[in-house]
Amino acid sequence: GEDVEQSLFLSVREGDSSVINCTYTDSSSTYLYWYKQEPGAGLQLLTYIFSNMDMKQDQRLTVLLNKKDKHLSLRIADTQTGDSAIYFCAESQSNYQLIWGAGTKLIIKP
Amino acid sequence: DAGVIQSPRHEVTEMGQEVTLRCKPISGHNSLFWYRQTMMRGLELLIYFNNNVPIDDSGMPEDRFSAKMPNASFSTLKIQPSEPRDSAVYFCASRKDGRNQPQHFGDGTRLSIL
Repeated sequence: GEDVEQSLFLSVREGDSSVINCTYTDSSSTYLYWYKQEPGAGLQLLTYIFSNMDMKQDQRLTVLLNKKDKHLSLRIADTQTGDSAIYFCAESQSNYQLIWGAGTKLIIKP
Repeated sequence: DAGVIQSPRHEVTEMGQEVTLRCKPISGHNSLFWYRQTMMRGLELLIYFNNNVPIDDSGMPEDRFSAKMPNASFSTLKIQPSEPRDSAVYFCASRKDGRNQPQHFGDGTRLSIL
């Protein structure tokens, strides 16, 4: 069945780039999403990419999509302490259903 | 614009009690989702409403769980009777219909059943 996989943790130094990776299985997915969850809060949409795109950039965020390998990545440039959170990858399975990854906890070292 | 509003933010109650979680979606959004988040199982979709009608309730764990959406601006998720294994964070999300429309989440209700 459909599955979205992410590493559970990523540790980076403040000021470095963070790259969070995600693999998905449904080749018919049309949209892929990145959400951010800060402690005690809900999931906040960061960005999304349509499946016919390879890359999308939005300020410090860059999303790369490799459809052949079903691999999605989120790069955060100049990582700050405020970027500490759990990052969820999700693929659209149907008109409404999203398949969620388990989330990657981003840890920022000073 | 107000986001998705959930209440209460925290609920602690004893097992066997009835629990009611509330959600006000974003105005103009016609789809509403209830999710449960736990460490063990991650984010699980419980039920999906479209235009106030339940479309997919296959994620509702058992008959103790029920959800209603009496109008476009209000939904409830009820657990009766509650059990300790129901302890989790429950999220409500809403979205407009449309292929690229994302889901917008509330801040969740942290439920603890003792």
